[in-house]
Amino acid sequence: NAGVTQTPKFQVLKTGQSMTLQCAQDMNHNSMYWYRQDPGMGLRLIYYSASEGTTDKGEVPNGYNVSRLNKREFSLRLESAAPSQTSVYFCASSRQAHTEAFFGQGTRLTVV
Amino acid sequence: EDKVVQSPLSLVVHEGDTVTLNCSYEVTNFRSLLWYKQEKKAPTFLFMLTSSGIEKKSGRLSSILDKKELSSILNITATQTGDSAIYLCAVGESGAGSYQLTFGKGTKLSVIP
Repeated sequence: NAGVTQTPKFQVLKTGQSMTLQCAQDMNHNSMYWYRQDPGMGLRLIYYSASEGTTDKGEVPNGYNVSRLNKREFSLRLESAAPSQTSVYFCASSRQAHTEAFFGQGTRLTVV
Repeated sequence: EDKVVQSPLSLVVHEGDTVTLNCSYEVTNFRSLLWYKQEKKAPTFLFMLTSSGIEKKSGRLSSILDKKELSSILNITATQTGDSAIYLCAVGESGAGSYQLTFGKGTKLSVIP
């Protein structure tokens, strides 16, 4: 079972470049999430989608946009990358909004 | 102010020891508390505790939710080197049609032979 699949696994960007992180889940989950993880900061919620067709800001949404393309896919876009966005990004999904979330393997992004 | 606080931040124990990890929270509309284990990559789910399920156990791991004290503990008995990881606590809250899962900073557990 694939579960939650993120692409790419690694990426290096120059300041000001844009990119989209892709996430897809095959568990028929309703809710999807994007987190970033920085040393000593835990996992911080960027955006989430409680159900298809809805998206909401999390704790640290500035500099990011998201699209819930369909029930399976939830993408995260950096329009103009900044060094402060260097982080490990995790996508997650859950059956319902308050049930256990399952995580993808992460994307390590470096902005130089 | 952090909504979810874990303690200790790090812990070193010897194989065979029993450890207790703590998680306290302060949220408006509590729905669930979840524990995850993170080794090198993605967090993996351990337990979910709710008002209707305040105690969970799986092998050497167990967890209790204390809704009165707004806290939870994760116990690991007879620790093994494979238990070395970061343990994350997350709290789910809902309100106004939305839902958020907020994580603590984690407890880094190191088990030495």
